[in-house]
Amino acid sequence: GQQVMQIPQYQHVQEGEDFTTYCNSSTTLSNIQWYKQRPGGHPVFLIQLVKSGEVKKQKRLTFQFGEAKKNSSLHITATQTTDVGTYFCAGSGATNKLIFGTGTLLAVQP
Amino acid sequence: KAGVTQTPRYLIKTRGQQVTLSCSPISGHRSVSWYQQTPGQGLQFLFEYFSETQRNKGNFPGRFSGRQFSNSRSEMNVSTLELGDSALYLCASSPTGAGTGELFFGEGSRLTVL
Repeated sequence: GQQVMQIPQYQHVQEGEDFTTYCNSSTTLSNIQWYKQRPGGHPVFLIQLVKSGEVKKQKRLTFQFGEAKKNSSLHITATQTTDVGTYFCAGSGATNKLIFGTGTLLAVQP
Repeated sequence: KAGVTQTPRYLIKTRGQQVTLSCSPISGHRSVSWYQQTPGQGLQFLFEYFSETQRNKGNFPGRFSGRQFSNSRSEMNVSTLELGDSALYLCASSPTGAGTGELFFGEGSRLTVL
């Protein structure tokens, strides 16, 4: 069945450094979503990408959807302590079943 | 607008018991999805209901079941609890479906099985 993997599992950065998490699906996706979960909280929607090669920006966050619609990335420029949390990608394929990636836990040291 | 409400927030059960969790979606949302979150397995998809019909199902044993009522509220049930069922159970609602747009998550129900 459909699987979505993310790397790295964990990333520790100094405040001000950049951060990137990568998401890979075993099947072609119709769209991909990104969520952020703060420690002790619930996942919160960040963005959805639909088109092949799509790039979207939200302030310091840049999201990309691969040309083959099987991979995606989230890049954070100049991390801040408020960026701490686990970032999940979630992909939807032909069955419209939304499968979450394994997540990347980001720790930011002030 | 009220968010997604899950009850109970915390519960402790023993092996062999059964549990029912409830989820009230955002008003107007017809889709409710359930996810199991554990430290080792991440967010695992359980099932999705849309207008009282199960639209999709994950790879969980038959001990896990759910239903949705005409007011879109949903319940999930786990029978014959096992230690490995200890997890945070998250419910999420959406106006159009889990695979088509933003999911709005509840705070979760944390289940501990002893």
